[in-house]
Amino acid sequence: AQKVTQAQTEISVVEKEDVTLDCVYETRDTTYYLFWYKQPPSGELVFLIRRNSFDEQNEISGRYSWNFQKSTSSFNFTITASQVVDSAVYFCALSEAGGNTPLVFGKGTRLSVIA
Amino acid sequence: DTGVSQDPRHKITKRGQNVTFRCDPISEHNRLYWYRQTLGQGPEFLTYFQNEAQLEKSRLLSDRFSAERPKGSFSTLEIQRTEQGDSAMYLCASSLGSGGGTNEQFFGPGTRLTVL
Repeated sequence: AQKVTQAQTEISVVEKEDVTLDCVYETRDTTYYLFWYKQPPSGELVFLIRRNSFDEQNEISGRYSWNFQKSTSSFNFTITASQVVDSAVYFCALSEAGGNTPLVFGKGTRLSVIA
Repeated sequence: DTGVSQDPRHKITKRGQNVTFRCDPISEHNRLYWYRQTLGQGPEFLTYFQNEAQLEKSRLLSDRFSAERPKGSFSTLEIQRTEQGDSAMYLCASSLGSGGGTNEQFFGPGTRLTVL
């Protein structure tokens, strides 16, 4: 059975600090996709990144970076030099069968960045 | 380029009433998904369509729920005889296709349902 666990319910940091959001997933499938979405206070889910199970290269996009490690079934998300606008709930999600199945989401991590 | 739109954005109804929500996906997207999100939880899958065909329904989708996508474009989600436990945010998402590099789902703003 597929499952996504985001153990951190809430994180609070001071602006400009770095913060890492953890995501651990479970799947028996060998071809799957992992995703991160951001849900700001407005409520709309915003797609951040997609990573397939065969690509373990870390990715950096501006202040955002992602660390995918199959050995530990983790797909962690780091925000460098956090800003107040980063305050949101962040969701990690999994899709099996080469990305053909609907998304299974974790419960999310609420990030508060304090000025 | 318009994103996924949902209507209405908010719906307040009394227990026992029927409600219908509409989702308009991104125009060239073949897949359309419905999810439900309750407070403090991640979205949970309800059902999805590939064009007009409903391919999968979650066990969360009781007999009181029905979804359609008659022409493979917009979709409706109807809840009959609403219960207080149906109060949630109903999210619609669409994607270009299945698998590979086309499977990222783009979400609409959601319809927040409150059942009194």
